[in-house]
Amino acid sequence: QKEVEQNSGPLSVPEGAIASLNCTYSDRGSQSFFWYRQYSGKSPELIMSIYSNGDKEDGRFTAQLNKASQYVSLLIRDSQPSDSATYLCAVNNSNYQLIWGAGTKLIIKP
Amino acid sequence: NAGVMQNPRHLVRRRGQEARLRCSPMKGHSHVYWYRQLPEEGLKFMVYLQKENIIDESGMPKERFSAEFPKEGPSILRIQQVVRGDSAAYFCASSPQDLREQYFGPGTRLTVT
Repeated sequence: QKEVEQNSGPLSVPEGAIASLNCTYSDRGSQSFFWYRQYSGKSPELIMSIYSNGDKEDGRFTAQLNKASQYVSLLIRDSQPSDSATYLCAVNNSNYQLIWGAGTKLIIKP
Repeated sequence: NAGVMQNPRHLVRRRGQEARLRCSPMKGHSHVYWYRQLPEEGLKFMVYLQKENIIDESGMPKERFSAEFPKEGPSILRIQQVVRGDSAAYFCASSPQDLREQYFGPGTRLTVT
């Protein structure tokens, strides 16, 4: 079983709609959860971090964490073509190491 | 506050040569991580270092690859006797002492001809 799982996509969403990205993890001791965005040919860019159960909002982005169910999600409201990228979920396990999902490719269609 | 810096951004080496990749972490960050990414693939963890210490090198190939983070100067990822399969993007990330978010540099794209 992979430690951090994401649907590879591509996930196609019309412009202006809500994009929903999901991630599950296996280590119940995980404490820190991150979403990164990576454009083709560029380095990953941190967009959200979440540490406690519930929702965390930052502009058009909302991260949701449910530790009991071991999933973390990212919602992007009012999706724009510039949001088209690969979104990487990363989970800090019981040690120091960030465990990475393989990423979900998101395509926003004008 | 300058971000994570990596150089060179692009590096071309012939098979059998050595490649040296450098990474300067963000100011105040003492933890450095190196990742490799092949085209259309995910990030692969290679090594985690603190100043003068290798904490975890479980992702490093056993041969030809080494990394250091000296007391002074940047972190160095060294690949000896490069082969075509080493061609990839190599990213460095740094984090503050509380080991939370990692911030990435722009990467070094290594091409082995």
